[in-house]
Amino acid sequence: SQQGEEDPQALSIQEGENATMNCSYKTSINNLQWYRQNSGRGLVHLILIRSNEREKHSGRLRVTLDTSKKSSSLLITASRAADTASYFCATWPINDYKLSFGAGTTVTVRA
Amino acid sequence: NAGVTQTPKFQVLKTGQSMTLQCAQDMNHEYMSWYRQDPGMGLRLIHYSVGAGITDQGEVPNGYNVSRSTTEDFPLRLLSAAPSQTSVYFCASMTPNSYEQYFGPGTRLTVT
Repeated sequence: SQQGEEDPQALSIQEGENATMNCSYKTSINNLQWYRQNSGRGLVHLILIRSNEREKHSGRLRVTLDTSKKSSSLLITASRAADTASYFCATWPINDYKLSFGAGTTVTVRA
Repeated sequence: NAGVTQTPKFQVLKTGQSMTLQCAQDMNHEYMSWYRQDPGMGLRLIHYSVGAGITDQGEVPNGYNVSRSTTEDFPLRLLSAAPSQTSVYFCASMTPNSYEQYFGPGTRLTVT
């Protein structure tokens, strides 16, 4: 079974608005990652946050991690049409060699 | 660097046929993996390898075989294709300490 679950499944926003999506997971992790997938393409790594970190920034991306609640959020600020994609959280459990993906959030940014 | 390459891009098989999906990377990454992606289900791990000569099963290994004779290549074999194996297949690689996976462009497989 999949480790992570994203919420919401789909999100539609206006260009310039912020987009927030959440991820919940089940087991103890070494790190949590977010990936983006444009339609018909492979996944692209966006950001990694380790279990001992609470917040991380990369450009317009902000990721938070709450290990006590086993949850993470991804915030995309000032969205652009090019941000239209599916976003997946993925967890790397402690003492394991497998990355486990959630089902993803589809984000549509309207011009 | 070409990164992670996959061939073919598209493939149609009849039930019972066998085939090999090719995956290669030129980044000298020790860790490689195969995923399948089905609508609404995200990516599910099929098999992975932590180095040449070492492979292990993921979440959905049945019906698939892998081998890792070199660092660069990690082919995925479908032994006897079934309609349930219709999916998009992604190969990925990474260095062990980075945890960041680099994905290939995918192979879209249809089994009729």
